[in-house]
Amino acid sequence: EAGVVQSPRYKIIEKKQPVAFWCNPISGHNTLYWYRQNLGQGPELLIRYENEEAVDDSQLPKDRFSAERLKGVDSTLKIQPAELGDSAVYLCASSLVGTSGGSSYNEQFFGPGTRLTVL
Amino acid sequence: GEDVEQSLFLSVREGDSSVINCTYTDSSSTYLYWYKQEPGAGLQLLTYIFSNMDMKQDQRLTVLLNKKDKHLSLRIADTQTGDSAIYFCAESISDDMRFGAGTRLTVKP
Repeated sequence: EAGVVQSPRYKIIEKKQPVAFWCNPISGHNTLYWYRQNLGQGPELLIRYENEEAVDDSQLPKDRFSAERLKGVDSTLKIQPAELGDSAVYLCASSLVGTSGGSSYNEQFFGPGTRLTVL
Repeated sequence: GEDVEQSLFLSVREGDSSVINCTYTDSSSTYLYWYKQEPGAGLQLLTYIFSNMDMKQDQRLTVLLNKKDKHLSLRIADTQTGDSAIYFCAESISDDMRFGAGTRLTVKP
């Protein structure tokens, strides 16, 4: 079974340019997450989707970041314009858990990430 | 706000046991997780523990949970060079997870 697929794996852009990342979750997983992982840090949640609905985007910098999950399957995360501080690894994860709260076991399956370098 | 805290580095010799410690923040966290990240890869779930347990063993892995102190540990028995990686603990917060900064485990032959 294919895991979470992300592309591109690496992206180098100049500041103020736009960039987009794509994620295809594991088939059947209704919940999709985008995380940002800064160097030497753990992942930090940017946005969580349940099917096509963004149920938690409180940590997404909405002035420059946007995301969509049309049809509730694959997802795109966009940054426009990119800033130097956006350099990080952007991880996508998926799981089967729903809105049952933290009382449910929630195994998230992670993709390999997209390493973004903003020059 | 409060952070999930881990020591950043651990170095052991091949065949020794490794113990990675973590202090989490939310006493109501129901599940606590350990993830492993190898270079250039995403995170892979190693094991988890339900909050009403104080120990869980899974082959070479032993998880200990002290809810009173909000302390979680991961013990790897007979550590191998292939265990070299970054290990993240995570706590469940509502429907989301909060991760520590990771402990880089180096295994010397």
